[in-house]
This record gives sequence, C-alpha cells and structure tokens, in this order.
Amino acid sequence: DTAVSQTPKYLVTQMGNDKSIKCEQNLGHDTMYWYKQDSKKFLKIMFSYNNKELIINETVPNRFSPKSPDKAHLNLHINSLELGDSAVYFCASSMSGTGYNQPQHFGDGTRLSIL
Amino acid sequence: RKEVEQDPGPFNVPEGATVAFNCTYSNSASQSFFWYRQDCRKEPKLLMSVYSSGNEDGRFTAQLNRASQYISLLIRDSKLSDSATYLCVVNEGAQKLVFGQGTRLTINP
Repeated sequence: DTAVSQTPKYLVTQMGNDKSIKCEQNLGHDTMYWYKQDSKKFLKIMFSYNNKELIINETVPNRFSPKSPDKAHLNLHINSLELGDSAVYFCASSMSGTGYNQPQHFGDGTRLSIL
Repeated sequence: RKEVEQDPGPFNVPEGATVAFNCTYSNSASQSFFWYRQDCRKEPKLLMSVYSSGNEDGRFTAQLNRASQYISLLIRDSKLSDSATYLCVVNEGAQKLVFGQGTRLTINP
C-alpha cells in the first residue's frame, strides 16, 4: 500500500529514557515532517526536511533530534524523555514545488506515554 | 492571538442538517488553505483545499475571504459519517502548515 508509515504505534516508557520513532513514505514525496499533538489536540509542526535538508525547526528542545537518511525516511530520536513529551507524534510527507497547494499525507501516529 | 482560530464546538446537529464552520487566520502572507478532517484517535486527512473563488466538492463547500482573513466550510445534508473534528489549516509558506484547534462535529440520528 502507498502510505506514510510510522513505528511504533504505541510507546510507553519511563521518564529519562531515550527512544526513537521511525517514519517511512513510499509516495515519492521529497518533504517530510514531524508534528506533535498534545492532550488539548493542538497539532503543531516540529520539523520538516526537504531532500534530507532541515527546513523547519520550530524551537523544539534539542533533546529532539530528527534524522533523515534519505528523502523517504525521517526518524525522530528523543533523549531524556520528560512527562511533557507525552503526546501523539505524527509523521507526514508532501511534494514541494512552486505550487503552494501541496497537501500533506499523515501517518497513523505514535502514541507516546511517559510514566 | 492564535495563528489559526476556530470555534472548538462541540457542534451537535441532526442528520440531514446543514452546518457551517468558520476559521480566522492572523498571517496575511499565508499562501494556501485547507480543511482537514480528523476522526477520533486517527490521523488528519485532507478534506479539501480552499481556493480564492470558493470551491465545492459534493456536499462540502469551502470559501475564502483574504481581505477578512476568514475561511469557512459548509456541509449540506449531513451524514452520520461526517462526525469528526474539522481542522482549519493555513500554509504560511515553505510548506509550514499551521493548524487550528479543530471543531468537533457530532451528527445525531
């Protein structure tokens, strides 16, 4: 199936641990994103990468480090997890280009719970 | 002031009713506009883009007023399956999407 897929779907871990979330898209898109959706349901962009180059970094703590080995993958590593990191993390992808009407396609989300 | 502001609802309407959602955005340089739909515990999915001249997709009509920085979504003949959260989304450029808080809609039989 063509899609944006992220793993794991659920992640429950203790404060202070380090964890990674992986994302892959097979839509042929050149731009990928990480979003955080908190308990109040606000969806906020964290990072975007275009062809492996960081484009957007929205004042996210440096405990969060995205890595894009190629344009089809964007992984998110989080160090020293804190209670406030509990949220749903969505990966998304789109095509860039001169047109602005490029919709983004989202993965299923990773539900991160910090104990 | 929030960058994209929506009435969070919830809106509870009977099946078959017409319902309208509004949204305002603060960045006048915003380039493009969308409505996304998010079902409970699911990912957001694109419902429709919003064009300056207004556009329609079946029972859904979207309007944009750039002068007032205002976007709307109208759903006619609502179905039970329309129950979801509707997200107003603004592209501020460089593919940076800013999402509203979402408006919860429940269609009652």
